[in-house]
Amino acid sequence: DAGITQSPRHKVTETGTPVTLRCHQTENHRYMYWYRQDPGHGLRLIHYSYGVKDTDKGEVSDGYSVSRSKTEDFLLTLESATSSQTSVYFCAISGTGYGYTFGSGTRLTVV
Amino acid sequence: GESVGLHLPTLSVQEGDNSIINCAYSNSASDYFIWYKQESGKGPQFIIDIRSNMDKRQGQRVTVLLNKTVKHLSLQIAATQPGDSAVYFCADEFGNEKLTFGTGTRLTIIP
Repeated sequence: DAGITQSPRHKVTETGTPVTLRCHQTENHRYMYWYRQDPGHGLRLIHYSYGVKDTDKGEVSDGYSVSRSKTEDFLLTLESATSSQTSVYFCAISGTGYGYTFGSGTRLTVV
Repeated sequence: GESVGLHLPTLSVQEGDNSIINCAYSNSASDYFIWYKQESGKGPQFIIDIRSNMDKRQGQRVTVLLNKTVKHLSLQIAATQPGDSAVYFCADEFGNEKLTFGTGTRLTIIP
């Protein structure tokens, strides 16, 4: 997707290990979001950021932390991965007038 | 926040026919609504939006209708094509707060 990239696209990790997902934008948007998407639950907000070093929790933030040291990068860390965190993770950015622009997603499997 | 839901989880339409996807929202104060399309393995993609001061908005082959009285949103896709097969999400927002997403409707276009 133009202006927003997520890495890695796929990852398999073991239970108990830390994992960091990266979201990078080139749009200079202030707002950035991390969602997880699971069957039957749709998109659920994990954390979001409204500026450098300004972050807040979403509805499913337990077990996750985020950091934003630069406007363009928003990192999501699973402190100690569990099987319940197996999901597809989407980053989104928000400018003005057109809702959110989403990245292509990261498929994370915790074994 | 308030939840946004969809009436039908799946919908199959013959190619060339028109399709209608429905959405109910619960927050009467919501003032901005968006429809997203999500193809397999990709992130949600913006289709069309509408603000609460409008009842109808048209795009290319798509029309969004908003009925604030019954808190109902619909997406009409005209002359459906195979490429329209995807999951469609509605989302709502109140006063520049975070978007709330429905769980999605899977639209299948039958050749």
